[in-house]
Amino acid sequence: EAQVTQNPRYLITVTGKKLTVTCSQNMNHEYMSWYRQDPGLGLRQIYYSMNVEVTDKGDVPEGYKVSRKEKRNFPLILESPSPNQTSLYFCASGGSALMNTGELFFGEGSRLTVL
Amino acid sequence: DAKTTQPPSMDCAEGRAANLPCNHSTISGNEYVYWYRQIHSQGPQYIIHGLKNNETNEMASLIITEDRKSSTLILPHATLRDTAVYYCIVRVANSGYSTLTFGKGTMLLVSP
Repeated sequence: EAQVTQNPRYLITVTGKKLTVTCSQNMNHEYMSWYRQDPGLGLRQIYYSMNVEVTDKGDVPEGYKVSRKEKRNFPLILESPSPNQTSLYFCASGGSALMNTGELFFGEGSRLTVL
Repeated sequence: DAKTTQPPSMDCAEGRAANLPCNHSTISGNEYVYWYRQIHSQGPQYIIHGLKNNETNEMASLIITEDRKSSTLILPHATLRDTAVYYCIVRVANSGYSTLTFGKGTMLLVSP
């Protein structure tokens, strides 16, 4: 089954404790992206990657890092989480069809709480 | 990319057609209209897209006005599971892996 898998789905952590949210897709997609969703602010893009070893900042990259060492994985790293990073995070991927159809595939989301 | 305007919320009775409008009066000739939906706190799901002709798939129909300044997403027989936030997005086709910008969308509530 074609899917984008995020882990963990839920996490409560404390300020400053480094954490990684993993994202994996099994569709051989070149494009992957991270969004965060907050009440009243909608979905905002954090980082995206157009292919292996190619990453770029989205609209709200501060406080986050990403890496794309393999095509299928695109982890989101919070080196020193702060309470304002409490949010619902979504990973998304898209293949070459994305260029024409605009079709992104999203994961189920990771709800992160930073105390 | 052109901006879109959608009503914040709409109601629909189960089994009836849900018609969700979107205004995109500044759309350019090479921009497509895309629709996504997000069921409560799940990842957004692609529904349909179109340029100027009406489009239909197994999920919905997309009607784009002749001047392309507005469009309507039609769910022909809404069910309770169609309760979701619906996003209308305008984006240049063949624009590579550019960002899809989601607005606030329309919250559709389907009631029994």
